[in-house]
Amino acid sequence: DTAVSQTPKYLVTQMGNDKSIKCEQNLGHDTMYWYKQDSKKFLKIMFSYNNKELIINETVPNRFSPKSPDKAHLNLHINSLELGDSAVYFCASSQRGANEKLFFGSGTQLSVL
Amino acid sequence: AQRVTQPEKLLSVFKGAPVELKCNYSYSGSPELFWYVQYSRQRLQLLLRHISRESIKGFTADLNKGETSFHLKKPFAQEEDSAMYYCAPPADNYGQNFVFGPGTRLSVLP
Repeated sequence: DTAVSQTPKYLVTQMGNDKSIKCEQNLGHDTMYWYKQDSKKFLKIMFSYNNKELIINETVPNRFSPKSPDKAHLNLHINSLELGDSAVYFCASSQRGANEKLFFGSGTQLSVL
Repeated sequence: AQRVTQPEKLLSVFKGAPVELKCNYSYSGSPELFWYVQYSRQRLQLLLRHISRESIKGFTADLNKGETSFHLKKPFAQEEDSAMYYCAPPADNYGQNFVFGPGTRLSVLP
């Protein structure tokens, strides 16, 4: 079973559209994250959720909104997509506590045309 | 804030040559650091962590508090080591600060 799964794997859409990426983890972790990896492979954190509470929001435009219906899911909604949003988005999870490693999803390649 | 830096964006070595991927950190205390690897078209995965002191795929990393470094080393590079490597500090007790270094692309040439 995949520990952290995200869908879709590929997402191609037009500018201005609204889209969502889903993420689920079956590890029982209490913290989930969204990362953005740009074309230069820089990996930047966007959000983390811990017990349904937003912990980090690193200067991300408010067009991006994480939604966590329960501890096992953290979905990413993006409104009014822009060309610069094209990237690979990774979901990840970890267990609260110092020094815990991250488990990553396989990534969603978003292409905005 | 806990920060790590990776000064090299790209590192190319020949197969069989030693490789060292640099990582420096900028916070005090007893840091716990991680190296993550992303092979082509695959998800990021943990390569090794400081606290476990284990060697994975021939890679090791020693914490040098004097130089505030956690460089990743392998004595003999293999072509399959070609990948993106990210250094990362730990999350704190609230899941914060899993902020990765910018990453280094390792290319092992035949």
